[in-house]
Amino acid sequence: SAVISQKPSRDICQRGTSLTIQCQVDSQVTMMFWYRQQPGQSLTLIATANQGSEATYESGFVIDKFPISRPNLTFSTLTVSNMSPEDSSIYLCSVRIQSSGNTIYFGEGSWLTVV
Amino acid sequence: GDSVTQMEGPVTLSEEAFLTINCTYTATGYPSLFWYVQYPGEGLQLLLKATKADDKGSNKGFEATYRKETTSFHLEKGSVQVSDSAVYFCALTLAYGGATNKLIFGTGTLLAVQP
Repeated sequence: SAVISQKPSRDICQRGTSLTIQCQVDSQVTMMFWYRQQPGQSLTLIATANQGSEATYESGFVIDKFPISRPNLTFSTLTVSNMSPEDSSIYLCSVRIQSSGNTIYFGEGSWLTVV
Repeated sequence: GDSVTQMEGPVTLSEEAFLTINCTYTATGYPSLFWYVQYPGEGLQLLLKATKADDKGSNKGFEATYRKETTSFHLEKGSVQVSDSAVYFCALTLAYGGATNKLIFGTGTLLAVQP
């Protein structure tokens, strides 16, 4: 498995501001993913972030709103830009671990509330 | 397209009751199947998985069998405890060239176990 740490764990943000979420993994991984879980909903993939290349965004998500960095094999950031109350969600980082049969593991999430 | 369908919740049981949460899937390839659990106020944890037909995943008294003929992966536990109260997500990934990509989640089923 993997130990995945996210910061911040929780935050209350003002409308119109931006917040960057950090994800740190205790081992080198090729594929990292960012998911969003809106209140009472299931998880939706925002983008896939591979080291050394641009992130690949899912339908409905754009780079201007959710810029992602992946500077090395253990770290990634997701920025939620120009936030509105509709962005209030849990944002989860996840990684694929080849040595565990390509299982995908999750961090504990960053719980954002936009006011 | 590829999808996962879970039984709607909430599921309310008394302690020591038998649990079944139904999950069926639609996939064009050969998916790996997962159950994730989200305890109140926490992120997502992998509960169990199965990667091919007739495999049985098990963990913490929970088990699920990959049934290709019925495209199902129902979660069961013989005797639930109050501490099992959580949201349970069924999910799949599809293998492309040996590598798994994004997870496709069901809507989640809330389990509430009463003492």
